[in-house]
Amino acid sequence: DTGVSQDPRHKITKRGQNVTFRCDPISEHNRLYWYRQTLGQGPEFLTYFQNEAQLEKSRLLSDRFSAERPKGSFSTLEIQRTEQGDSAMYLCASSLAELRASGDEQFFGPGTRLTVL
Amino acid sequence: DAKTTQPPSMDCAEGRAANLPCNHSTISGNEYVYWYRQIHSQGPQYIIHGLKNNETNEMASLIITEDRKSSTLILPHATLRDTAVYYCIVRVAGGSQGNLIFGKGTKLSVKP
Repeated sequence: DTGVSQDPRHKITKRGQNVTFRCDPISEHNRLYWYRQTLGQGPEFLTYFQNEAQLEKSRLLSDRFSAERPKGSFSTLEIQRTEQGDSAMYLCASSLAELRASGDEQFFGPGTRLTVL
Repeated sequence: DAKTTQPPSMDCAEGRAANLPCNHSTISGNEYVYWYRQIHSQGPQYIIHGLKNNETNEMASLIITEDRKSSTLILPHATLRDTAVYYCIVRVAGGSQGNLIFGKGTKLSVKP
């Protein structure tokens, strides 16, 4: 399977603990995105990378959140000092961004469901 | 905020066409209309996108009005597996804009 993969699929943690999620994009894709989705809502953008550069961060990405893509391949999203409000599905997507009209559709992974107790 | 308006839910009989409307009255000239869907407990899946001409692929057809202020996604022969939340999104295609801005979408229920 050459799609976007995420690990772990589920994570249960206690409030105050740190958690880290991993995303492996489709290999030739240069863009990688992180979204968060809570129950009944559409996904909300958190941040994205083009290669290893983090180009945009949402105001939803508080100081407790950090994302990296050190070699322009896989990415990690870390949440420090988790709070119950962080409970959500964290989705990763990748795309091949080109300066033309088509071809930059985003391919999503299955998500990591975080539960903070 | 999302720049689109969609009905919160729709029903469709299995085997019939599902027509999902979307209003995007403030769409800019360089913005495309994208459709994604999300089946329960899965990540969103790209369906189709278009600028002003009607588009068709193996999954669906996209009809955009001449003034581009609204569009309709058509699933020609809906199956039970098409039950999902469908999101209509407007954005600039290509390299100038990154993220997708999702609204709440339309929950389509395909019934036998």
